[in-house]
Amino acid sequence: AQSVAQPEDQVNVAEGNPLTVKCTYSVSGNPYLFWYVQYPNRGLQFLLKYITGDNLVKGSYGFEAEFNKSQTSFHLKKPSALVSDSALYFCAVRDGPMDSSYKLIFGSGTRLLVRP
Amino acid sequence: AAGVIQSPRHLIKEKRETATLKCYPIPRHDTVYWYQQGPGQDPQFLISFYEKMQSDKGSIPDRFSAQQFSDYHSELNMSSLELGDSALYFCASSLNGGSAREQYFGPGTRLTVT
Repeated sequence: AQSVAQPEDQVNVAEGNPLTVKCTYSVSGNPYLFWYVQYPNRGLQFLLKYITGDNLVKGSYGFEAEFNKSQTSFHLKKPSALVSDSALYFCAVRDGPMDSSYKLIFGSGTRLLVRP
Repeated sequence: AAGVIQSPRHLIKEKRETATLKCYPIPRHDTVYWYQQGPGQDPQFLISFYEKMQSDKGSIPDRFSAQQFSDYHSELNMSSLELGDSALYFCASSLNGGSAREQYFGPGTRLTVT
């Protein structure tokens, strides 16, 4: 079965510093990986995805993620954190196909807190 | 740009009552997914529809049912509600079965069962 793990419940970083939110995956076959962000009382917003190609994927709001096959990781990064980046971040892997359905399997989430 | 619409946004029901949650996908999206997020939990897949047919089923209780209509909107029907059904219910939509495409999530319906 496909799965992702987020080893950190919370990440604290000072504004302006680089941030990393970790994710490791376990899949059979090629991984289709995603990062979503959730603000309080809001839905999940898509940040970026890895399907194939370059290992460094660029996404929304200045975020990027590095796919590392040997380490089975897909860490989310940003060179300079903003206070407004404080939110709950979910790593997800596509599970499928099943009659054209590709449900997402989510990690447990990592709360990012950026202090001024 | 149009987003996924969910209604109602908040719903309070008593135990053993029924509830219906509605989802309107992004125009031209043909696949709808339902997820349940309990307090402090990650979203868990419930059920999905592709071109109005059920395409996959996850950890959805037998008390729940869902369907996708001809206009592609979807409804999640929940009966004999239990306290443990209190959660945030998300609908997501994608295009062409969503093989490599991201899912776009609605704002969610917060269901509280008392």
